[in-house]
This record gives sequence, C-alpha cells and structure tokens, in this order.
Amino acid sequence: AQSVTQLDSQVPVFEEAPVELRCNYSSSVSVYLFWYVQYPNQGLQLLLKYLSGSTLVKGINGFEAEFNKSQTSFHLRKPSVHISDTAEYFCAVSKTQGGSEKLVFGKGTKLTVNP
Amino acid sequence: NAGVTQTPKFQVLKTGQSMTLQCAQDMNHNSMYWYRQDPGMGLRLIYYSASEGTTDKGEVPNGYNVSRLNKREFSLRLESAAPSQTSVYFCASSESQGALYGYTFGSGTRLTVV
Repeated sequence: AQSVTQLDSQVPVFEEAPVELRCNYSSSVSVYLFWYVQYPNQGLQLLLKYLSGSTLVKGINGFEAEFNKSQTSFHLRKPSVHISDTAEYFCAVSKTQGGSEKLVFGKGTKLTVNP
Repeated sequence: NAGVTQTPKFQVLKTGQSMTLQCAQDMNHNSMYWYRQDPGMGLRLIYYSASEGTTDKGEVPNGYNVSRLNKREFSLRLESAAPSQTSVYFCASSESQGALYGYTFGSGTRLTVV
C-alpha cells in the first residue's frame, strides 16, 4: 500500500536560510509524488510533482524536490526562505484503487520562517 | 475565478443535528473528493467520486454520506453530527487522471460540533 511519512512535524528557520522538508514514501509500484502548500486559513495548492523522468523537480516559489528511489525519499528544498513561505507543507503519493487515482497525504510539516 | 467553491465557510452544529456541505467546481473535472483535516493527522479521504454517477468510500467514511448531483456538484452530508466530526473539510476536484494534473482544492469548511 502506498503511504508517506513526513519526518518533521515542525521546522523553524530564519529568513534567508536554506530549508529541507523531509518525506519518505512506501510503495511496491511506480509512484507519482507531490508536494502541496497550505497557507493559513486557505486550501492546498500544488507546489510541484514527480511523475517520471528527471529526478530533480522544480516547482513554484523557488522550491525544488529530488526523487530518490533507492532511499524512497522525496525531500523538498529551498535555498533561501522568505517570511512569506511560512505555511504547512504536505507530501502526497498517488494511489490507484478501483481504477481511479487518489492522493494519500502525509501528516504535514509546519514551516515557520522567523525574521 | 475558476475553481472549487465550498459553502458554508464556517458552521457550528449541536450534537445530533444534520447538515450538508456543498461543493461545486467549474473546471469540467470528472473526479471530486472530500477530505477532512485534523491537527497532526494531515488530510484523510472521506469519499470520492471518480465520475458523475459514481461514489466510493475513502479512508474515513463512517458518519458521512455523499451525493454527486451532477458533474459540477459533490455534497457531503452529516446525518447526525458528533463532536468527533469537528474538523476542517476540504473538497477537491481533478481530471480523471488526477495524478498527472494535480488536484484543485476549495478553501475549506470549518465545522464545530458541540
């Protein structure tokens, strides 16, 4: 069964510092992986996705993630964060059941960027 | 603006009351989903509809029912609300191959059951 584990529930960093949000997945088949961001009191929006091809995926707002099959990881990185990046970040994996695709989400990582 | 619209945005219910959460999308998407979000639990799938006329249970369906009224609308009903159903509810939609295109989420309904 496909699932994801986000290794940190909270990550505090200072502005302009680099950040890495960690995500490990478990799946016995090929996977599609995603990162979503949720700003306070809003819905989720797609940051980036890995479907196939290059293992380094670039997304919006300067974020990128690297798919590592041997380590079953899909960590999210940004070289220099801004106050506005404060949000909750969710890793997700696609799951096919009954012929339809669904997303299974991790429990989330709250990123707090401090001045 | 195109997207997923959820109503209401906030609701307080007494234990045992019923209510329906409404969701509509104007992107001509085939698939629609209802998730609940609880602190430290991430998003958990309640029900989904792969296409108009079909619905299926997700991870946490107990206490809920859904209706795919047409291609645009997918409602979630609580027949007898319980405090354990206090949560933020999100509706989402996607093309049939949702993994390729990603989901579009609504802004959520914050439900409190007292």
